[in-house]
Amino acid sequence: GAVVSQHPSWVICKSGTSVKIECRSLDFQATTMFWYRQFPKQSLMLMATSNEGSKATYEQGVEKDKFLINHASLTLSTLTVTSAHPEDSSFYICSARDQTLNTEAFFGQGTRLTVV
Amino acid sequence: AQTVTQSQPEMSVQEAETVTLSCTYDTSENNYYLFWYKQPPSRQMILVIRQEAYKQQNATENRFSVNFQKAAKSFSLKISDSQLGDTAMYFCAFLSSGTYKYIFGTGTRLKVLA
Repeated sequence: GAVVSQHPSWVICKSGTSVKIECRSLDFQATTMFWYRQFPKQSLMLMATSNEGSKATYEQGVEKDKFLINHASLTLSTLTVTSAHPEDSSFYICSARDQTLNTEAFFGQGTRLTVV
Repeated sequence: AQTVTQSQPEMSVQEAETVTLSCTYDTSENNYYLFWYKQPPSRQMILVIRQEAYKQQNATENRFSVNFQKAAKSFSLKISDSQLGDTAMYFCAFLSSGTYKYIFGTGTRLKVLA
């Protein structure tokens, strides 16, 4: 099956700093990538959708200047949490799909972000 | 807008027994996909089973099967011969064939008891 690798698995950063999370599709071309946020014991909430070479489309209520998404290649998308604060601490999950294959998306293993 | 509802926040089942997790959804689309994902403590989302809406036959994957009732917009998951490794959070998900965005339910925490 298709593999999506997310890095890092966990990260701790100081309040006010920025942190970047990478999402890579290892064996297929990810024309579309999705970024989710999951609070403890809650469901996955879609933050944004990015298509390769285009600006990301953010869901209502998600600050695009806070959560910068770049999808510059067919195998890599990045989420940068800028000026992180403790309330940004959460579990972030990416998923990727190949639009040309008309399949569902495949999920990365997630990144646990803790802002101290 | 599509919604997915899982009305059972927590469930438990004895090892080797059968358990059914409920899921209902709401959509005006005719073509879509439905999924059950398992999320163990590692938080990795693992696909359990998928169902295409145009298929009337219920999907099965080994010990996992679904009861897909399109008219009722119901999509329940049956786990037979439950194993300790089945202990996890289970999410029902709707996937639009138009936007390819997932809509997840709130999840059911399943605990398999020895």
